[in-house]
Amino acid sequence: AQTVTQSQPEMSVQEAETVTLSCTYDTSESDYYLFWYKQPPSRQMILVIRQEAYKQQNATENRFSVNFQKAAKSFSLKISDSQLGDAAMYFCAYRSWGSSYKLIFGSGTRLLVRP
Amino acid sequence: NAGVTQTPKFQVLKTGQSMTLQCAQDMNHNSMYWYRQDPGMGLRLIYYSASEGTTDKGEVPNGYNVSRLNKREFSLRLESAAPSQTSVYFCASSEMMGGETQYFGPGTRLLVL
Repeated sequence: AQTVTQSQPEMSVQEAETVTLSCTYDTSESDYYLFWYKQPPSRQMILVIRQEAYKQQNATENRFSVNFQKAAKSFSLKISDSQLGDAAMYFCAYRSWGSSYKLIFGSGTRLLVRP
Repeated sequence: NAGVTQTPKFQVLKTGQSMTLQCAQDMNHNSMYWYRQDPGMGLRLIYYSASEGTTDKGEVPNGYNVSRLNKREFSLRLESAAPSQTSVYFCASSEMMGGETQYFGPGTRLLVL
């Protein structure tokens, strides 16, 4: 069975600086998707970024980028030029390529942004 | 274009009461999902519907039933609520099964006394 681990319960960053959130996963599959979701205090789950395992190039979305290390089963999220609105819970999630439709979530990392 | 909507936003139930959580999406997505989120944990899948007319169990289906009313709507029913079902419930949808991104509703906070 696949598992997703986020080892940092909480991280803090100064506004305008860069922070990296860690995620590792365990799977025997070769094809899969990885996601980072943001959950602000409103509780809405918002997609931040998505990575297909078959792609070697790391995904980027504006200030958000990932460092995907397939061999190491690592999928970290880098937030550049942090803003107050980035403060939220961040969840890493895994999804199989094939017929399994389940998103497997990590336990989350709370990001605090200091003004 | 509202995306995924859920009602109610918050509900308090007594043990043994029943209720239905409603979910609707206006993105013409084929697949819909129900998750629960407990404190300090990620989301866990309760049930999903790959397409209109089909439903399947997820990781934690006990105590719940679902109905895919049409392509837009997917409801979750608690027949006899228990305190262990106190949680935040999220509905999500995706264009089709097979890896596409899931888009989430705002959540329903349920408290069972």
